[in-house]
Amino acid sequence: GAVVSQHPSWVICKSGTSVKIECRSLDFQATTMFWYRQFPKQSLMLMATSNEGSKATYEQGVEKDKFLINHASLTLSTLTVTSAHPEDSSFYICSARDWRDPGQGVYEAFFGQGTRLTVV
Amino acid sequence: QKEVEQNSGPLSVPEGAIASLNCTYSDRGSQSFFWYRQYSGKSPELIMSIYSNGDKEDGRFTAQLNKASQYVSLLIRDSQPSDSATYLCAVNEGFQKLVFGTGTRLLVSP
Repeated sequence: GAVVSQHPSWVICKSGTSVKIECRSLDFQATTMFWYRQFPKQSLMLMATSNEGSKATYEQGVEKDKFLINHASLTLSTLTVTSAHPEDSSFYICSARDWRDPGQGVYEAFFGQGTRLTVV
Repeated sequence: QKEVEQNSGPLSVPEGAIASLNCTYSDRGSQSFFWYRQYSGKSPELIMSIYSNGDKEDGRFTAQLNKASQYVSLLIRDSQPSDSATYLCAVNEGFQKLVFGTGTRLLVSP
């Protein structure tokens, strides 16, 4: 399958600071990437769809000014958590679909390793 | 809002048994279906994808799709303790997005 790399794997920051998370597609071009958030023992919550060269599409209830998404190239999307607070502590995961070739009939989605954010 | 339903479990099976994981979805127009495995503290890993009615086998895993019943399942044969994880069912919404179920936690005891 395709490879999606996310960095950093974990980060601790002070309340009020900003944190940037990078998501890269290593062996394919991803015109669209997805950002998820996951709290302990809960399922994935889609935050936004990141579109290369255009504005991200945010899901209802997600603050676009707090979670800044930039998709400047076909292989890189970034999520910046601005003015982070302890309630923003969570597991953030990016995903991209490989549109090159349908994997066994469908276009499959692959996930980055995830970033565990702790705000103190 | 499209819905994907899974029993949260835990589903407990002994080592060597067949684990059967089930998922139902609300959108009759859904075309593509996926099973992901997620270990605690890790991101989801794609196990199987399926888009045609019937069975699709890959090693110890078999995905089963019944679009008329809006039902997709995952069978894991010869279950191993290393299969203990949360299994997420995902269904296409529109052209790009995936809608995930809440996951079923599988416990395989030695």
